[in-house]
Amino acid sequence: AQSVTQLGSHVSVSEGALVLLRCNYSSSVPPYLFWYVQYPNQGLQLLLKYTSAATLVKGINGFEAEFKKSETSFHLTKPSAHMSDAAEYFCAVSEGFTGGGNKLTFGTGTQLKVEL
Amino acid sequence: DGGITQSPKYLFRKEGQNVTLSCEQNLNHDAMYWYRQDPGQGLRLIYYSQIVNDFQKGDIAEGYSVSREKKESFPLTVTSAQKNPTAFYLCASSPGTGTDTQYFGPGTRLTVL
Repeated sequence: AQSVTQLGSHVSVSEGALVLLRCNYSSSVPPYLFWYVQYPNQGLQLLLKYTSAATLVKGINGFEAEFKKSETSFHLTKPSAHMSDAAEYFCAVSEGFTGGGNKLTFGTGTQLKVEL
Repeated sequence: DGGITQSPKYLFRKEGQNVTLSCEQNLNHDAMYWYRQDPGQGLRLIYYSQIVNDFQKGDIAEGYSVSREKKESFPLTVTSAQKNPTAFYLCASSPGTGTDTQYFGPGTRLTVL
C-alpha cells in the first residue's frame, strides 16, 4: 500500500522567505506524485505533478518540487513567500486502477502561514 | 468554461435522515471520485467510478451510496447508517488513465444537527 507523510502540520514563514514543505512517500512501483493547494472552504487546485519526465518539476505560482528517489521525497519549495500563499498544501501519490482512473493517497496536509 | 460543480455549498441534516450531494462535470471525463475531508486527516476516498453504470468502493464506503447513470453526474448519498457524517465532501474527476490528474470541485460542507 502506498502512503504519504507530510512533516509539519503547520509551517510559518515571513513574507519574502523561502517556503519548504516536506513530503515523503512509500510506493512499490514508480510513483506519480502531486502537490495540491486548498484555500479555506474551497476545493483542491493542482500545483504540480511528477510523472518521471524530469526530477525537478515547476508548477504554478512560482512553486517547484524535486523528486529524489534515494530519499523517497518530493518536497515543495518557493524562493520567496507571498501573503497569498497562505493555504493548506497536500502531497499525494497515485496508483492506477485496472480499467482506468487512479487512486490518490493523500498526506494529512501542511497549513502554511505567511507573516509580515 | 469546463469544470466540476457541487451543490449545495452548505448542507444541514438532522440525525437519521439521508441526504444526497450533487456532483456534475462538463469535462467529458470518464472517471469520477468522492472524497471525505476531516481536519488533520487529509482526504479519504469514499467511492469511485471509471465508467457509466459502474462504481467501486473506496477506503471508507460504509454508510454511503452512489450512482453513475450519466457520464457527467455522480451523486453521493449519505445514509443514516453513516455514524459520523459531519465533514467536507469533495468530488473529483479525471480523464480515465492511470496517470491522470484529478480535478476537484468546490466541495460541500455537511453538518449533522
